[in-house]
Amino acid sequence: DTEVTQTPKHLVMGMTNKKSLKCEQHMGHRAMYWYKQKAKKPPELMFVYSYEKLSINESVPSRFSPECPNSSLLNLHLHALQPEDSALYLCASSQDRGPALPLHFGNGTRLTVT
Amino acid sequence: TQLLEQSPQFLSIQEGENLTVYCNSSSVFSSLQWYRQEPGEGPVLLVTVVTGGEVKKLKRLTFQFGDARKDSSLHITAAQPGDTGLYLCAGIEETSGSRLTFGEGTQLTVNP
Repeated sequence: DTEVTQTPKHLVMGMTNKKSLKCEQHMGHRAMYWYKQKAKKPPELMFVYSYEKLSINESVPSRFSPECPNSSLLNLHLHALQPEDSALYLCASSQDRGPALPLHFGNGTRLTVT
Repeated sequence: TQLLEQSPQFLSIQEGENLTVYCNSSSVFSSLQWYRQEPGEGPVLLVTVVTGGEVKKLKRLTFQFGDARKDSSLHITAAQPGDTGLYLCAGIEETSGSRLTFGEGTQLTVNP
């Protein structure tokens, strides 16, 4: 079992829907990440939060809106998505943003946009 | 151009065979990590290497970091079907601060 919990595991939404992905960790990690992963491809970084502040936004379209309510929770709000946004969305955390610290990934939310 | 070139992209072998996966770059890395991802799950860290020339072993897996910290390899001895998965190298480029870059991945299938 992973120590980073993501909900829901699967999500199907229409292009006019609004939905949210949730991520939770209780390891005391202070950095949290959202990645997008297409099939058989590596994860692509979307956002990084460090000490609950957004520190990296990899030029992600505004239809994706991250939120970090506290040090244990990370949300990704979705609105007006496109079919090409269908992917596995992975949350990860690390103790900090130091260079050697590993990422702990959740099992992802499989998103399908119809 | 991909910062971390991983090869091969796909590898299908029989149980009991040995294999090596390579991760190469023209850049110097502060550290390099290897992850394995199984279907329906997130990547799981296998190892982190930080010192040039470092060799780490994890049961049948041997990881090596190049002397110049520009490349790494993963060698699996006597592969088993349970080794099947997507293997990802990921590194922190020395000049990038703490930004982690992933290679394209190697999809390994070990047939019984």
